[in-house]
Amino acid sequence: DQQVKQNSPSLSVQEGRISILNCDYTNSMFDYFLWYKKYPAEGPTFLISISSIKDKNEDGRFTVFLNKSAKHLSLHIVPSQPGDSAVYFCAASVTGANNLFFGTGTRLTVIP
Amino acid sequence: NAGVTQTPKFRVLKTGQSMTLLCAQDMNHEYMYWYRQDPGMGLRLIHYSVGEGTTAKGEVPDGYNVSRLKKQNFLLGLESAAPSQTSVYFCASSSGYRNEQFFGPGTRLTVL
Repeated sequence: DQQVKQNSPSLSVQEGRISILNCDYTNSMFDYFLWYKKYPAEGPTFLISISSIKDKNEDGRFTVFLNKSAKHLSLHIVPSQPGDSAVYFCAASVTGANNLFFGTGTRLTVIP
Repeated sequence: NAGVTQTPKFRVLKTGQSMTLLCAQDMNHEYMYWYRQDPGMGLRLIHYSVGEGTTAKGEVPDGYNVSRLKKQNFLLGLESAAPSQTSVYFCASSSGYRNEQFFGPGTRLTVL
């Protein structure tokens, strides 16, 4: 059973516009969330994270929002750039556990 | 720094053959992980290690064994490969279970 879900397999956005990637989770014990970015033939690279004590974390063009009541998080990229074209994975963990639970990924294409 | 490296990058096995995947990290990280990525499934944790000489099962450990004889290396073994083990395997390391994980480039394994 997939505990972290990314229901949009793909997303296309014009350069300069906002990209919004969504992630839902089912396990209310998750208290730490991460976003990873993956280019073809490479491993995932860490992008940004958020603890459940926050509802927003910002790092440059990237902002992650967490809505605990809805068990939903989103990644906003503003402005989107062609180099942002990649697969984005959402991941979640529980304090004290060693598992990261990953979503299935969303392929973002930024059109120049 | 090379970061996390994986050997080999590609491999084709016949059913029943054995092989070992090698992961090496030069960041002096305590934690190391093996994941597999299958289409539509995201990344799933196979085994992990919280330090030299320790290993533990993850989400999908069956059919795999691991060893962490040296802090910088984490080996994943398949004793008798099966077609269901056709996948892309990623190794990762981190300095602590909540910290970001650094991933290797992956090994694409096909079992015929």
